[in-house]
Amino acid sequence: EEQLVESGGGLVQPGGSLRLSCAASGLSFSDYAFFWVRQAPGKGLEYVAAIGSDGASTYYARSVRGRFTISRDSSKNTLYLHMGSLRVEDTAVYSCARSIVVSGSPRDDWGQGTLVTVSS
Amino acid sequence: QPVLTQPPSASASLGASVTLTCTVSSDYSDHKVDWYQQRPGKGPRFVMRVGTGGIVGSKGDGIPDRFSVLGSGLNRYLTIEHIQEEDEGDYHCAADHGSGSNFVWVFGGGTKLTVL
Repeated sequence: EEQLVESGGGLVQPGGSLRLSCAASGLSFSDYAFFWVRQAPGKGLEYVAAIGSDGASTYYARSVRGRFTISRDSSKNTLYLHMGSLRVEDTAVYSCARSIVVSGSPRDDWGQGTLVTVSS
Repeated sequence: QPVLTQPPSASASLGASVTLTCTVSSDYSDHKVDWYQQRPGKGPRFVMRVGTGGIVGSKGDGIPDRFSVLGSGLNRYLTIEHIQEEDEGDYHCAADHGSGSNFVWVFGGGTKLTVL
């Protein structure tokens, strides 16, 4: 059974850093592009970042560009999101999702998410 | 980039039908839209993709025949027939735009569906 499981969330102070992980199982990890999406409390979904299947192409929402870095490790079947210079408004549940390609194919598998709280 | 607009809430009685609407901004009338279901406490689940000609590709895994889509003008509709308790949750529409460094993935605000 295909599964995406996020981890690494928690409480962090403004200006701090955090690394999220998304462990993939039951799929051929290297065949897929991956995404991070977040949902702030009481709000809708917001795209954060994407990475191509080869790991060479990365894309970011304007709100996180320069502060967050998406990466992947095929040897561990794991997707990462390195978050720096965190702000209160980055507080959200962060979920990973996968698709065949970055643009043009649906994201047909998602994890349940991990909560990141940025607060002093 | 496109703007996707969804009403914040909808409701329907058990066994009835409901149609959810996602409206794309006028400059993007040809854009396809993906529908995602998010049950309480769960991650989103792909339902299906819709363009002006209707469904594009296949439904998501396990999506029942009670779910259908239609595209007309700027609107992308998701209809759920014979509503069941398990259909309650948030429904999000989304669309890709751009390529390369200009790629963005845009979401509507989501519609909370309550089953009465």
